[in-house]
Amino acid sequence: KQEVTQIPAALSVPEGENLVLNCSFTDSAIYNLQWFRQDPGKGLTSLLLIQSSQREQTSGRLNASLDKSSGRSTLYIAASQPGDSATYLCAVRAAGNKLTFGGGTRVLVKP
Amino acid sequence: EAQVTQNPRYLITVTGKKLTVTCSQNMNHEYMSWYRQDPGLGLRQIYYSMNVEVTDKGDVPEGYKVSRKEKRNFPLILESPSPNQTSLYFCASSLKSLLGTDTQYFGPGTRLTVL
Repeated sequence: KQEVTQIPAALSVPEGENLVLNCSFTDSAIYNLQWFRQDPGKGLTSLLLIQSSQREQTSGRLNASLDKSSGRSTLYIAASQPGDSATYLCAVRAAGNKLTFGGGTRVLVKP
Repeated sequence: EAQVTQNPRYLITVTGKKLTVTCSQNMNHEYMSWYRQDPGLGLRQIYYSMNVEVTDKGDVPEGYKVSRKEKRNFPLILESPSPNQTSLYFCASSLKSLLGTDTQYFGPGTRLTVL
């Protein structure tokens, strides 16, 4: 059974510092990995999708890497801003279109 | 505007009173699914549907039913709600691919409280 873990569970950084969020999964037989952002009381917003054949994806200040063989993905957010404060979730998609989520990392960027 | 909508957004009900949470998407997506989110347990899949009239169980289907009579709608039915079904529910949709390569789009969530 696929298990997805995100460490740390919470992170607090001063504005301007780079953020590094980690995601690990136990079964490397995945189709893709997706990073989401969730604001309190709100739904999930997709940030980046990395196909299993890709090593990384970039969108603006966001960069996500994928090492399928070791079961790891990292989300980098450059020059963090208070507006980046949210919970970040990673999810892996495997056979049968099943999406398995990690527990999330709650990020606070202090002004 | 491309979106996934859910109704109601908030619901307080009592044990045993049947309820339906609706989900609708306007992106012509084949794949739709329901998740519940609970503190300490994260997001868990309840049911999913690969296309009209095709549904399957996720990780936590007990106590729930779904139907997919039309492509755009995927209602979640609780025939006899119990307090352990108090949770935040999300509907999601995506284009279907054999490789499962498409981004999932989520609705805004429905906060359900069962007394």
